[in-house]
Amino acid sequence: QQQVKQSPQSLIVQKGGISIINCAYENTAFDYFPWYQQFPGKGPALLIAIRPDVSEKKEGRFTISFNKSAKQFSLHIMDSQPGDSATYFCAASRGDKIIFGKGTRLHILP
Amino acid sequence: KAGVTQTPRYLIKTRGQQVTLSCSPISGHRSVSWYQQTPGQGLQFLFEYFSETQRNKGNFPGRFSGRQFSNSRSEMNVSTLELGDSALYLCASSPAVGGNQPQHFGDGTRLSIL
Repeated sequence: QQQVKQSPQSLIVQKGGISIINCAYENTAFDYFPWYQQFPGKGPALLIAIRPDVSEKKEGRFTISFNKSAKQFSLHIMDSQPGDSATYFCAASRGDKIIFGKGTRLHILP
Repeated sequence: KAGVTQTPRYLIKTRGQQVTLSCSPISGHRSVSWYQQTPGQGLQFLFEYFSETQRNKGNFPGRFSGRQFSNSRSEMNVSTLELGDSALYLCASSPAVGGNQPQHFGDGTRLSIL
């Protein structure tokens, strides 16, 4: 009930391509779904987040798609750039709890 | 605005010792949360403090404890260190309490247990 399953573990995308990372959760009480980006030697940084009352949120090249009935959400990175190479974490949370996915290591080929 | 500051950046300890890590949140943020990050388990929530009170707690043993001061700065203590406590410990702050708030992370303290 408390897991957040993230896939793939690693992803290689050509520059200019679309990177897609998927997450699935189990607990329907979660009401906040953020994505974090982490570079080596740095802490995670909030990239974009969505609440379950909307199905999609876009900020620049980053889009979250949210499917409440399937309990799945995904991150799309359009026009992927070498600077996007990092580890990405999804999370699902409610007031008293936050569960992170295991992370996706993204590498953008120049 | 200055970000979340964690000290020290690196620590080496031996089994059985105890350690205290420090976190200064973003100015104006009253909530401080602590996380453990390891390659095997990923990012795991330890606890959250707001207005000097522990508000939420993850599934870690009692050897892991924390506190928050009136200026919102927080410390985390781990007693009787075990090899498995080797990890990156991250602190995050937010203006309001709760896991469903944007978390602003520091760069962590890398703890190695010999």
